[in-house]
Amino acid sequence: SQKIEQNSEALNIQEGKTATLTCNYTNYSPAYLQWYRQDPGRGPVFLLLIRENEKEKRKERLKVTFDTTLKQSLFHITASQPADSATYLCALDLLKTGANNLFFGTGTRLTVIP
Amino acid sequence: DTAVSQTPKYLVTQMGNDKSIKCEQNLGHDTMYWYKQDSKKFLKIMFSYNNKELIINETVPNRFSPKSPDKAHLNLHINSLELGDSAVYFCASSLSGFQFFGPGTRLTVL
Repeated sequence: SQKIEQNSEALNIQEGKTATLTCNYTNYSPAYLQWYRQDPGRGPVFLLLIRENEKEKRKERLKVTFDTTLKQSLFHITASQPADSATYLCALDLLKTGANNLFFGTGTRLTVIP
Repeated sequence: DTAVSQTPKYLVTQMGNDKSIKCEQNLGHDTMYWYKQDSKKFLKIMFSYNNKELIINETVPNRFSPKSPDKAHLNLHINSLELGDSAVYFCASSLSGFQFFGPGTRLTVL
């Protein structure tokens, strides 16, 4: 069966440390992998997109890696801040006809402790 | 200016009723989507429309019917509401790649 699993439901880290979130999938062949942030009571907000032929992408304090052999993506937030506390969702994009067909993981709720 | 807006934000109704949720995007995107987020926060795609044509229907009961009067609007009509329909419904739009999500509509069926 098809699965998208994010390593833990909740992750607590100290301010200033690097948070590493994991997304593993089985029985999918995504064209892209995306990461979103969701705050309570709000819709997801796009953070980063990485293509199947890319190994790593960076944006400010964020870094994402994509290993299609391991079927895994790692999402890093360096120098974490309390404002980074949120739920982070990975999403596989199968790029079916005319649409970005996103399948989401279960999310990891990150808490950065001051 | 709000990029993707939804109305209403909250919807409380009785089982068996019919209700609609409206979505509008002012981004000029070609594709719009409806997602359902359940009580465990799992987000699942329901429908996708590209230039007013339905291109995805991920095993959603036919009580749910999306309607797109034009490229900027995608409404969701739900017939004969059931308790299990209680969830947060998100509208989204995309041009290529990533998606912009609306603020969500929390539907509660009593």
